[in-house]
Amino acid sequence: GAVVSQHPSWVICKSGTSVKIECRSLDFQATTMFWYRQFPKQSLMLMATSNEGSKATYEQGVEKDKFLINHASLTLSTLTVTSAHPEDSSFYICSASKGEVHSNQPQHFGDGTRLSIL
Amino acid sequence: GEDVEQSLFLSVREGDSSVINCTYTDSSSTYLYWYKQEPGAGLQLLTYIFSNMDMKQDQRLTVLLNKKDKHLSLRIADTQTGDSAIYFCAEIPMDSSYKLIFGSGTRLLVRP
Repeated sequence: GAVVSQHPSWVICKSGTSVKIECRSLDFQATTMFWYRQFPKQSLMLMATSNEGSKATYEQGVEKDKFLINHASLTLSTLTVTSAHPEDSSFYICSASKGEVHSNQPQHFGDGTRLSIL
Repeated sequence: GEDVEQSLFLSVREGDSSVINCTYTDSSSTYLYWYKQEPGAGLQLLTYIFSNMDMKQDQRLTVLLNKKDKHLSLRIADTQTGDSAIYFCAEIPMDSSYKLIFGSGTRLLVRP
């Protein structure tokens, strides 16, 4: 168990478009989901923590109006990159944890979404 | 502060053992993790170890933890070409608000 599905896997769109990425936990309920961004040949950078039924917690330097997060159910979180520009091009990865916050349950990751803005 | 460090690159011959090392600074972490990332893909949880353990073995994988030196290692026995990937160690310090702190990743290249 512990499968996380991320969709779409690759998006190419024009500058100014808004792009929505979905993250689903397929066989477990995830109170908490996480959104990361990864630049080429670098480690993952946490963007925000998504909590079901409440507002997301954003990391310092991440624009909350730019990266909208919605966690409408225990199995789905969405990240919307609003009015995307070429500098938003990156690899976005979500993860989900089975347990409650502070439970130290491992995070299980989706396969990532490669976003390319022309 | 929180800092996790790894060497950037390791090259081994197929069939040999690989040892990927990681050092961390926060001793409050209860669990330490190893993730594998293949090109263009997300992260796959390989294994994790509880901080009161010294060693954990899972098939070809052996994790060693030296809590005194804050050193974690992942040994892959009989390394195969399919093991070529980036390996991340990670921890969740007690005061990090449950956030995973990742190392920079070690790129493992397995030569035939």
